[in-house]
Amino acid sequence: GAGVSQTPSNKVTEKGKYVELRCDPISGHTALYWYRQSLGQGPEFLIYFQGTGAADDSGLPNDRFFAVRPEGSVSTLKIQRTERGDSAVYLCASSARGADTQYFGPGTRLTVL
Amino acid sequence: GQQLNQSPQSMFIQEGEDVSMNCTSSSIFNTWLWYKQDPGEGPVLLIALYKAGELTSNGRLTAQFGITRKDSFLNISASIPSDVGIYFCAGHGAAGNKLTFGGGTRVLVKP
Repeated sequence: GAGVSQTPSNKVTEKGKYVELRCDPISGHTALYWYRQSLGQGPEFLIYFQGTGAADDSGLPNDRFFAVRPEGSVSTLKIQRTERGDSAVYLCASSARGADTQYFGPGTRLTVL
Repeated sequence: GQQLNQSPQSMFIQEGEDVSMNCTSSSIFNTWLWYKQDPGEGPVLLIALYKAGELTSNGRLTAQFGITRKDSFLNISASIPSDVGIYFCAGHGAAGNKLTFGGGTRVLVKP
């Protein structure tokens, strides 16, 4: 079946702009995770959804970052007033069971000029 | 917060060689996971470890969950060119549902 998909694959924006990154999880997976991966580093946890609700948003770096999952499937990560330091690959993962069975998407590479 | 240290940061392999990498933590984890990431892709799970002392294999890969629950290692036997990539360890603690990742070990082919 289809895996986790993320759109766009690449996004280039200017400092100060607003961006939205989309994640389509594997059908039927109730858990959805967002991670940020800076160049040369491992993924860092941002937020975890169980169904429609954000069960853990402790990884969001500041209030410019926000994520929603209104119908318990597709999720959107929103970044306001982007800064150059936001440049990274944003990974989404979904799971039917628990954190140990996450399937990752290919990521969205965000570049803030 | 929790941090995972992976070593080595990078290594060169020659086809047929065995390679080893490890991961240490300042905190205890209940689950250790090893992932491989290829360029332009997300991480793919290789092995999951659930019990201290557990030794698990997946083909040419073998991983162990350290007795102290603060470390793990991954061995690749008889390496082949497609083993090239970045390997990440990740830990899952008692609370919450998030994974903490190490910085990765980049495996490259000897020129």
